[in-house]
Amino acid sequence: EAEVAQSPRYKITEKSQAVAFWCDPISGHATLYWYRQILGQGPELLVQFQDESVVDDSQLPKDRFSAERLKGVDSTLKIQPAELGDSAMYLCASRGSQETQYFGPGTRLLVL
Amino acid sequence: SQQGEEDPQALSIQEGENATMNCSYKTSINNLQWYRQNSGRGLVHLILIRSNEREKHSGRLRVTLDTSKKSSSLLITASRAADTASYFCATDRSGGSYIPTFGRGTSLIVHP
Repeated sequence: EAEVAQSPRYKITEKSQAVAFWCDPISGHATLYWYRQILGQGPELLVQFQDESVVDDSQLPKDRFSAERLKGVDSTLKIQPAELGDSAMYLCASRGSQETQYFGPGTRLLVL
Repeated sequence: SQQGEEDPQALSIQEGENATMNCSYKTSINNLQWYRQNSGRGLVHLILIRSNEREKHSGRLRVTLDTSKKSSSLLITASRAADTASYFCATDRSGGSYIPTFGRGTSLIVHP
């Protein structure tokens, strides 16, 4: 069964450093989402792509976060510089023609 | 901001008992979905109910939707220890592109 791939699974970094997360959606899924999930809370949408175009990035802290999906397939989410409050799980999800989202395993970020 | 809010925040039951969790939302929706998340993992889609549906079943899961009260419930019958997880509702607001919004989740513990 096709799955959404994410890497790395875990990342520890010091504040002010740059970090990057990668996501490979299910083949053929045009829509890709990046979420941030703080421990004990639900996922919060950061950015949504339709193919290579951004549909919604209203909750993305653009002073330090950036996301790209250059060829409309895989995607990278970057944080520069990382802050202590960025410690969270970063989830990627993809969606095909139906409403169901398929989530990857996530990247757990710890900023020291 | 989070559209859906689950209730209760935490639920502890014995194996074999039924578990009921609720979701309330604020604006009109096209559909509502329930997801499960095991600790430290990505979310798994459980069931989708559309705004013109009132009840759906899938195995041991029963979901209801009351659009007049802007609420949904998820019932897990004959619970098992493996059902221990966090459960989230996600709503898709009507009138726009599909941008799902998750609640804070219900943490379910099923004791063997």
